[in-house]
Amino acid sequence: ETGVTQTPRHLVMGMTNKKSLKCEQHLGHNAMYWYKQSAKKPLELMFVYSLEERVENNSVPSRFSPECPNSSHLFLHLHTLQPEDSALYLCASSQDYGTGVQPQHFGDGTRLSIL
Amino acid sequence: AQKVTQAQTEISVVEKEDVTLDCVYETRDTTYYLFWYKQPPSGELVFLIRRNSFDEQNEISGRYSWNFQKSTSSFNFTITASQVVDSAVYFCALSAEDNYGQNFVFGPGTRLSVLP
Repeated sequence: ETGVTQTPRHLVMGMTNKKSLKCEQHLGHNAMYWYKQSAKKPLELMFVYSLEERVENNSVPSRFSPECPNSSHLFLHLHTLQPEDSALYLCASSQDYGTGVQPQHFGDGTRLSIL
Repeated sequence: AQKVTQAQTEISVVEKEDVTLDCVYETRDTTYYLFWYKQPPSGELVFLIRRNSFDEQNEISGRYSWNFQKSTSSFNFTITASQVVDSAVYFCALSAEDNYGQNFVFGPGTRLSVLP
């Protein structure tokens, strides 16, 4: 058990669909992250929330829309995705946000396939 | 800019062999942190170690050991007497400040296969 739970584990959707990825952490952490892991590419940081405020948005297309309603939950809303968006999406949390302050705890990821 | 290089894309060893995974990093910051993570087939990244830039002592944890050398900007990871359960993708990562704020950069990963 990782302490960071992601649902669903797998998602197949068409380019015109709207879906959401969910992440939940029960570690009492203040920071949550979305990463994208594509085949043969390094993990890409997409968004960071600290104390429910977005602190980083690394040039992610607007078809990805994050939401952090509270410090335990993080969503990634998806709409009008492209085939190149197929990837493993990983959620992570850390006690706080800052340089090297805490290691990050990761969920198992959602494997997304765009048809 | 921060960068992490893991030159070994894939490594295969036979069980009980020792294996070293290389990690070379680039940063202009004098204060930074280095990490290693393991990603088994299940997908979840598992934190293994964090080292700050002021602590060059090597560390050993069971069959795992890490060699941090600032002179060569390397943070290599050695598994002694490898086991099949060590098969996974291993990521080296760097956390440092740059002109845009805090940055956390992963290397491309090294896929380790330990054969019985």
